[in-house]
Amino acid sequence: GAVVSQHPSWVICKSGTSVKIECRSLDFQATTMFWYRQFPKQSLMLMATSNEGSKATYEQGVEKDKFLINHASLTLSTLTVTSAHPEDSSFYICSATGQIINYGYTFGSGTRLTVV
Amino acid sequence: QQQVKQSPQSLIVQKGGIPIINCAYENTAFDYFPWYQQFPGKGPALLIAIRPDVSEKKEGRFTISFNKSAKQFSLHIMDSQPGDSATYFCAARGGFGNEKLTFGTGTRLTIIP
Repeated sequence: GAVVSQHPSWVICKSGTSVKIECRSLDFQATTMFWYRQFPKQSLMLMATSNEGSKATYEQGVEKDKFLINHASLTLSTLTVTSAHPEDSSFYICSATGQIINYGYTFGSGTRLTVV
Repeated sequence: QQQVKQSPQSLIVQKGGIPIINCAYENTAFDYFPWYQQFPGKGPALLIAIRPDVSEKKEGRFTISFNKSAKQFSLHIMDSQPGDSATYFCAARGGFGNEKLTFGTGTRLTIIP
């Protein structure tokens, strides 16, 4: 089945530094990738949508300069949290869709970010 | 109009019972309705999905019932097991080329032996 690999699974960084999270579709071409943020015991909140070779589309209220998204190829999207602060600590999850999976959605395993 | 309302928030069922989780929506443009299972610290995993031209779909122990006129859909888990204890999310896709998924608020399911 369709697999999306997300790395790292957890990361601790110091306040003010930047962190990059990778999301790869291993066995299909992801025409669209999505990035979500999830707080404890809450639902998934869509942050942005990205298409290969295009600028990401951010949801209202999401700072595009803080959360940089790059979708450089049909199999790789990255989320960079710039100048991280403790309030950026959260669970970040990517998702991908594409024609080969009949436009269903496959999710990565998530990244737990802790900013200290 | 983009909301998907999910209930109950939490559910405790005895092993072998049939937990039922319900979702309701307003946007008639939604064209794809998946259910996801999420364990703590993991990403959501697709359980089963349905399109609005079908009233019921069954895959293994999981069944979706879909009522287009009432704009409601539900997940039934047959012969529930303690391993089914997880958080379940319903979702709906925007339709008309809108690929975004709108998620319900989630149901924390506990199956007791």
